[in-house]
Parts: sequence; C-alpha cells; structure tokens
Amino acid sequence: DAKTTQPNSMESNEEEPVHLPCNHSTISGTDYIHWYRQLPSQGPEYVIHGLTSNVNNRMASLAIAEDRKSSTLILHRATLRDAAVYYCILRPNHYGGATNKLIFGTGTLLAVQP
Amino acid sequence: EAGVVQSPRYKIIEKKQPVAFWCNPISGHNTLYWYLQNLGQGPELLIRYENEEAVDDSQLPKDRFSAERLKGVDSTLKIQPAELGDSAVYLCASSLVAVRGTGELFFGEGSRLTVL
Repeated sequence: DAKTTQPNSMESNEEEPVHLPCNHSTISGTDYIHWYRQLPSQGPEYVIHGLTSNVNNRMASLAIAEDRKSSTLILHRATLRDAAVYYCILRPNHYGGATNKLIFGTGTLLAVQP
Repeated sequence: EAGVVQSPRYKIIEKKQPVAFWCNPISGHNTLYWYLQNLGQGPELLIRYENEEAVDDSQLPKDRFSAERLKGVDSTLKIQPAELGDSAVYLCASSLVAVRGTGELFFGEGSRLTVL
C-alpha cells in the first residue's frame, strides 16, 4: 500500500488559514487522496477527497500537485473546533475487494490558538 | 439520521476476562469495519464486512478475537481472554459499497477498553 508522510504537529491562530501538507511520492495513478480528521474523544470524520483536480467543499479545500506526489488540505479560517488530528490517506480505486480500505498513518495534530 | 452507534463507550475489565463490543451501522450501509486505535496512533483495521461476509480479516488476531455480523446489519467484536495489551479504543465504521475508491466512512465514537 502506498504511504503518506505528514508533519507530526502544526500550530495555527484562530481565524487564519491553515495549510496541512501531505507527501505521497509512491501514489499510483488510480489512488484517491482522502482526508479525515479526528476530534478529541471522537471517531474520525471525513473531510474531503480528490483524484487529480483541486476540490472544495464546505469544510475545506484540497490542492493536489500536478504530479500528484503531494497534496495540501486548506482550512480557510481555522476555528478552535478545528483542533484535531488530520489524516491524509491514499485509497485504491477498486470496487470492493481486499484493497478497498482506509489505512491510517499517525496524522498531523493541529493546535489552534485563540 | 442516526450515525454509527457503539456500546459500551467505556469498559474496564481484568485480564483474562472476556469482553464484547456492539456496533449498529448507519441504515442501508452494507460495509462495516472494526478498527483498533492505540493511544497516539492512527486507527488500524481489524476486519471489514461486506454484508455478512468478512472480506478482509487478515489483521484480526484470531486466537483471541472474533467478530460476527449476523443478517448483515449489527456486528459484535469479542475478545476472549483479554490481555493487558488489548487496552485501546475499538472503532466501528460503516459505508456504502465504495465505488471507485470514493466511499466515505462514517465512524462511531468508539469503545474504550481498559484491561487491568
């Protein structure tokens, strides 16, 4: 399974943008890039995913490098509720099968200062 | 709409005792996952079901762990006997069958196990 590399921790100030990087140099052409986050004492929750083009939703934006070997999750205005562990995950483009699963790394712990 | 429901939220047992966790997935979701999460680590997949069938249980320690998903809805994860190293959070997640790798997983709040 292709691996991702993320910084262990990052800090941000409230109401400022946050750019969370992820390196995935061994990504295959069919892997989707998924981001999940985990708030304290909760299960992970889906944030966003993409394949090649940049993506936006109500929670965040995902910027994918042209060679797809890295991506950046962008929180446009961080709030205290955004303090969480953010996981960058590669998910194979298969319908069902044993490889259709999410493999989590250790993620980036984001601290948001008021 | 109700999310993924897990119980109990917390369980404290002595080593060598049995323990069971229950998961009720989101209605209509045919894929169910059990993950284990140790402190400071990301979740690790234990087993994945598609309907009643366990399609990936390669990471489940079968000597002491067992799981079942009768009728393709609720699921239970059992540990017997529990060991000190089993202290962790056990997460259940569900999804629709992923189409081309895009299926979103919905997680429960987890069951925190402490083995004394």
